[in-house]
Amino acid sequence: EVRLVESGGGSVKPGGSLRLSCAASGVSFNKAWITWVRQAPGKGLEWVGRIKSRSEGATTDYAAPVKGRVTISRDDSKETLYLQMNSLKIEDTAVYYCTIGLCSGTKCHYDDAFEIWGQGTMVTVFS
Amino acid sequence: QSALTQPASVSGSPGQSITISCTGTSSDVGHYNYLSWYQQHPGKAPKLMIYEVNNRPSGVPDRFSGSKSGNTASLTISGLQADDEADYYCSSYTGIITGLVVFGGGTKLTVL
Repeated sequence: EVRLVESGGGSVKPGGSLRLSCAASGVSFNKAWITWVRQAPGKGLEWVGRIKSRSEGATTDYAAPVKGRVTISRDDSKETLYLQMNSLKIEDTAVYYCTIGLCSGTKCHYDDAFEIWGQGTMVTVFS
Repeated sequence: QSALTQPASVSGSPGQSITISCTGTSSDVGHYNYLSWYQQHPGKAPKLMIYEVNNRPSGVPDRFSGSKSGNTASLTISGLQADDEADYYCSSYTGIITGLVVFGGGTKLTVL
């Protein structure tokens, strides 16, 4: 069974830091491009960023609202993805999901068609 | 990057059909066919329902269909069922310059 499990969420004051983890199982983790998506309470989904596979340089891309404040990294030996968040703002309050795109036949949708999702982890930034 | 525009809510009776629109720009919806739809029940993670405009992942019933014309995409659900009541989000690939992926604001579907 393919599974993603996020952890590391919690409450933090503005300006603080948190590191979220996303543990994968049942998937070819070393080949996967993995994306973080967040959802503020009562709001819609927002793309946060993505990391490519290590064979493709583990390149990262980030959304403008978080660029410069977050870093996505991966440890393929542990099949775990990380989201390091610094200088947190109140507007970063959200459930954070890690997700992987659908692979159909020989084609994988790395940056769209997010098929596998974790259960999410809640980050609350408040003073 | 602005969110794609969806109606806040739609409703329909069991057995009926509804359509949810998703309007973007010539830089996202109008430019790429990487248009997806997600269903999200309260407290749950999103579920992929449609990808590449009109393709269904394995296990998604054919009551769900997608289409696109210009800068507007649509999700149609036919034969509405009670369990279809959920929030629905569209998303489009936007290219690396503008931040890769943009989501719609979401539409609450109520089955009357």
